Amino acid sequence: EAQVTQNPRYLITVTGKKLTVTCSQNMNHEYMSWYRQDPGLGLRQIYYSMNVEVTDKGDVPEGYKVSRKEKRNFPLILESPSPNQTSLYFCASSPGLLKNSPLHFGNGTRLTVT
Amino acid sequence: QQQVKQSPQSLIVQKGGISIINCAYENTAFDYFPWYQQFPGKGPALLIAIRPDVSEKKEGRFTISFNKSAKQFSLHIMDSQPGDSATYFCAASMFSGGYNKLIFGAGTRLAVHP
Repeated sequence: EAQVTQNPRYLITVTGKKLTVTCSQNMNHEYMSWYRQDPGLGLRQIYYSMNVEVTDKGDVPEGYKVSRKEKRNFPLILESPSPNQTSLYFCASSPGLLKNSPLHFGNGTRLTVT
Repeated sequence: QQQVKQSPQSLIVQKGGISIINCAYENTAFDYFPWYQQFPGKGPALLIAIRPDVSEKKEGRFTISFNKSAKQFSLHIMDSQPGDSATYFCAASMFSGGYNKLIFGAGTRLAVHP
């Protein structure tokens, strides 16, 4: 089944403790992206990647890192999480956005930072 | 301006009624307008999309109406069903930084009561 898989689904951590949220897609998509969803703010892009070893900042990149060492994986790293990073996170992939291909989203990771 | 303004924030409709969600944008560089549907515990999924060269697009009970001069577009759900209860995001796409950047609205939580 074609899908984007995120892990974990739920994560509770404390301020400053480094964490990684994994994302993997099995559709051979070139484009991958991370979004955060907050009430009243919709989906905001954190980072995106056009292909392996190519990543760039989205609209809200502060406090986050990503890497794209393989085509299928695009982990999101929070080196020193803070409470304002408490949010619902989504990974998404697409064959490429040059032709407005639809985004395929994972089922989300709900992160709580205390 | 890269914002997409979406209203209402929440909507309650009786079964069989019409649900209407509105979006507005400022930047005329946007050239593709998708709607995403998100069920609880799931990631958003593409529902329907329109390009600005047409004024309406219909897929089953879902219709997008597009008013280019007013820079507004809306989603109409005819004969709304309880299974349509979800969060709906409008979005707008523009070519920026070498790819088609997608900007999402804040979302509308729709509840269809039996």
